Amino acid sequence: QKEVEQNSGPLSVPEGAIASLNCTYSDRGSQSFFWYRQYSGKSPELIMSIYSNGDKEDGRFTAQLNKASQYVSLLIRDSQPSDSATYLCAVNNPGYSSASKIIFGSGTRLSIRP
Amino acid sequence: EAQVTQNPRYLITVTGKKLTVTCSQNMNHEYMSWYRQDPGLGLRQIYYSMNVEVTDKGDVPEGYKVSRKEKRNFPLILESPSPNQTSLYFCASSLGDRVYNEQFFGPGTRLTVL
Repeated sequence: QKEVEQNSGPLSVPEGAIASLNCTYSDRGSQSFFWYRQYSGKSPELIMSIYSNGDKEDGRFTAQLNKASQYVSLLIRDSQPSDSATYLCAVNNPGYSSASKIIFGSGTRLSIRP
Repeated sequence: EAQVTQNPRYLITVTGKKLTVTCSQNMNHEYMSWYRQDPGLGLRQIYYSMNVEVTDKGDVPEGYKVSRKEKRNFPLILESPSPNQTSLYFCASSLGDRVYNEQFFGPGTRLTVL
C-alpha cells in the first residue's frame, strides 16, 4: 500500500463547477497535510496546508481533513481553465526525527472543460 | 524576492560524464531536499539535509551525492550519470519546523543522459 494515494485521473470538470480531489494516507501519526498545484513542466506550488480536522478555506479553495478516516480533500469552487493542472497531495511522515520528511502522492490530473 | 534557484535548467550529457546541479535558497531555511520526478512515479526524494554538514538519504539515493557546506547551497552531484537518471529534478527548501514545514520548490532541472 502506498503511503499517500491519489486517483491519477484525469478528472474532467466543467468550467464553473466544483472540482473535488481526494487523497488518503496510511500513517495515523501524520500531522501536516499539503496540496500543491503543478502545471506541466513546472515546479510544484503550494496552494493549501491544513493541520487540524475540519475545513480550511482560502478563496476558491477549501481543504478538508479527516484524521479518523485518514483522508484529506481539496475542493475548488467556480473552476476556471487556469485550474487545469496536476494536484499533488503531500503528508508529513512522523516516523522521521526531522519535520521535513514529506511524502508525496503521485498526483491527480485535473482538466477544466469550457 | 524569496526563492529557490537551480542551475542549469536544462542539461544534455553523456553517460559517465560527471555533473553538478546547483541549488540555492535565500530564505535562511534549514532544510533542503532534492527530488526527481518521472512520469507515473510522482516526486521521489533523493537526498535531504537538515542543516549545514547534515545530510541523509531519501528514497532513491543510488548514483547521487550531495553536500551542504553552506546553509543556502545544496548541490546535487552525479559522479557517473547513466541513462536511467534522465529525469526532471527539483530542489526544495523549508524552515525545518517539526510540523509547519511547507516546502518551496525551485524551477526544476531537466536532465537527459545519452
